[in-house]
Amino acid sequence: GAVVSQHPSRVICKSGTSVKIECRSLDFQATTMFWYRQFPKQSLMLMATSNEGSKATYEQGVEKDKFLINHASLTLSTLTVTSAHPEDSSFYICSASREARGAGETQYFGPGTRLLVL
Amino acid sequence: RKEVEQDPGPFNVPEGATVAFNCTYSNSASQSFFWYRQDCRKEPKLLMSVYSSGNEDGRFTAQLNRASQYISLLIRDSKLSDSATYLCVVNKSPNAGGTSYGKLTFGQGTILTVHP
Repeated sequence: GAVVSQHPSRVICKSGTSVKIECRSLDFQATTMFWYRQFPKQSLMLMATSNEGSKATYEQGVEKDKFLINHASLTLSTLTVTSAHPEDSSFYICSASREARGAGETQYFGPGTRLLVL
Repeated sequence: RKEVEQDPGPFNVPEGATVAFNCTYSNSASQSFFWYRQDCRKEPKLLMSVYSSGNEDGRFTAQLNRASQYISLLIRDSKLSDSATYLCVVNKSPNAGGTSYGKLTFGQGTILTVHP
C-alpha cells in the first residue's frame, strides 16, 4: 500500500505556457500533500504544503501566484506552474501523508515530474 | 549555515567495502531523522529511520547523537546496487502555529558509487 503517482512524468513546454502536474494517492487518503522541487545536483527543496480543503502553505521565496496548488480531494493535489520560464525547469516531486500536516507520519513520494521549459 | 549538511562525497568504493556517511543538523529541536536513497532521475525512497539508540537493518546501521546533532549511516559489505545518492533528512518539530510539523529538510546528498 501507500502508492503515490504523478502525471505527467515528463513535460516539455514553451516559455509562457502553464503546466499542470497531478499527484494522486492511489490506495490511501492523503490529508496532507507536499510539493518539492529539485534542481540538477541539488537536494529536494520543499515548495509548499497543502491540506485537503484549505489553502496551501508556501515556503519562503516560493511565489504562490506562480505555483498554484489545489488539494480538492483526499487523493488528488495539483501543482500548476503558470507562465513557465526556462528557470522553472526542474524535477517536481510530490509526497503524501495520511496525517493532518504530516504529523509524525511517513511521507510517500511520487515518481516525480521532469519539466523542461524551452 | 545549511540546516542539514552532509559529507560532500562522492564516495567511490569497491564491492565489499564498508563506507560511512556523516550528517549534521542545525535545529536542536528537530525530532525525526531519516536516511533516504535516491537513484539517478528518480524520487527519493526511505532507507531507514534513525533512532537515538541506534538501529540496524541488514547491512545498514544508523546512529543519532542528539547532543552533537550528528547522524551517521554505515553500509557494510557494499553491493553494486548500493550505488545511489544518500540523503540525510530531518523532520522539524512544530512551531507555535504547528505549520512546520511534518516538514522534511533534505541534505544535499552524498553520491556513492560501488565498483566491481
